[in-house]
Amino acid sequence: AQSVTQPDIHITVSEGASLELRCNYSYGATPYLFWYVQSPGQGLQLLLKYFSGDTLVQGIKGFEAEFKRSQSSFNLRKPSVHWSDAAEYFCAVGEGNTPLVFGKGTRLSVIA
Amino acid sequence: DAGVIQSPRHEVTEMGQEVTLRCKPISGHDYLFWYRQTMMRGLELLIYFNNNVPIDDSGMPEDRFSAKMPNASFSTLKIQPSEPRDSAVYFCASSFSGRYYEQYFGPGTRLTVT
Repeated sequence: AQSVTQPDIHITVSEGASLELRCNYSYGATPYLFWYVQSPGQGLQLLLKYFSGDTLVQGIKGFEAEFKRSQSSFNLRKPSVHWSDAAEYFCAVGEGNTPLVFGKGTRLSVIA
Repeated sequence: DAGVIQSPRHEVTEMGQEVTLRCKPISGHDYLFWYRQTMMRGLELLIYFNNNVPIDDSGMPEDRFSAKMPNASFSTLKIQPSEPRDSAVYFCASSFSGRYYEQYFGPGTRLTVT
C-alpha cells in the first residue's frame, strides 16, 4: 500500500539555525512529491513540488527539498529558520491521478 | 483571488443534530476535495469531485456523511446525525485538471459535537 512517513512528530530549532524535515514514501514508481505548511488555525499552503527533472526543488519562503530515489526520500530544508516558520509541515505523495496521500505531519517550534 | 471559502469557521452542535459544512472553490477549478483532520488520524480524504461529479467517496466514514456539488462554485458536506467522534477540522480544497495535485485549501471548519 502507498504510504508516507514523517518520522519526526515535533522538532524544535533555534532561530537562525538550519532545518531539515524528513519524509519517506513507499510507492511503486516515481511519484509526485509535495510539501505543505499549515499555520495555526489555517488551511494547508503548498510550499513546493517535485514532478520530474532536477531533484533539488526550490519553494516559497526560502525552502527547498531534495528527491533521493535511492532512499525514497523527499526531505525539506531551510538554511536559516525564522520565528514565523513555526507551523506544521506535511509531506504528500501522489501517483497518476490518484488522490494525494499525506504524512502525519511534523510540528516545528522555533525558539529564540 | 479570494481563495477557497468555507463556512462556518466554527460549529458547535449537540449529538444527533444535522450539520452542514459549505465550500466555495476557486473559480475555474474543476476538482474539489473534502478532507478531515484529527490528531489521531491526521489528514484524511473523504470525497472528491471532478466537474461536479463525485469520483471517489471511499473515504466517507459512514452513511451519516453525504456530500454534494450542485454546481461548479458550491459544495456541501452534511453529517446527519452527528456524533462526538465526528469532532474534527474539515477542509475543502480545489485544483484544476492541468495541475491536479496543486491543491488550494480553505481555512477549514472546526466542528465540535457535544
